[in-house]
Amino acid sequence: GQNIDQPTEMTATEGAIVQINCTYQTSGFNGLFWYQQHAGEAPTFLSYNVLDGLEEKGRFSSFLSRSKGYSYLLLKELQMKDSASYLCAVSPSSNTGKLIFGQGTTLQVKP
Amino acid sequence: SQTIHQWPATLVQPVGSPLSLECTVEGTSNPNLYWYRQAAGRGLQLLFYSVGIGQISSEVPQNLSASRPQDRQFILSSKKLLLSDSGFYLCAWSYDAEAFFGQGTRLTVV
Repeated sequence: GQNIDQPTEMTATEGAIVQINCTYQTSGFNGLFWYQQHAGEAPTFLSYNVLDGLEEKGRFSSFLSRSKGYSYLLLKELQMKDSASYLCAVSPSSNTGKLIFGQGTTLQVKP
Repeated sequence: SQTIHQWPATLVQPVGSPLSLECTVEGTSNPNLYWYRQAAGRGLQLLFYSVGIGQISSEVPQNLSASRPQDRQFILSSKKLLLSDSGFYLCAWSYDAEAFFGQGTRLTVV
């Protein structure tokens, strides 16, 4: 079957660093995505990893280990506006482009 | 640039009533199109996807159906809504693996 796991909730302090983990087991693998979703809004793209290693984009970085079925999203210099849900998603096939999502991690940033 | 339009933004419908949600994409040809649903506090669940006109794949058995009458139009329908159909419905299109989402429709079945 297809399974993607991530923590349900996390809390961090403004200015700190937080790491959100994601593990996956899927029938195929064509890349892993991280999306940010504020309450009541559509998800917005953060990052895409298809090869092992770290991808850095400003305050956000994403890491992938295909052999371990593991990824993390690293958020640095946390800001209050980073309070949102973070969705891990895997594309199991290159033909259809469909995504399998984890349940999302709700991050609360406190002053 | 590509844009995706989805409407309405919110909808309150009685149990047993029909449903039609429409999604259109501009600025691209022959996109892969998707309907996702997000229940309260949950992740996104893929309902349908389409790789071309008239081609619909259903991911989960349910009370809903989808159609793609034109290249850049994707419609989600139901003949009789159930309470369990309430949720946040998102249309998306993809190019080269990345998915782009519409603004979503919040459906409440009462």
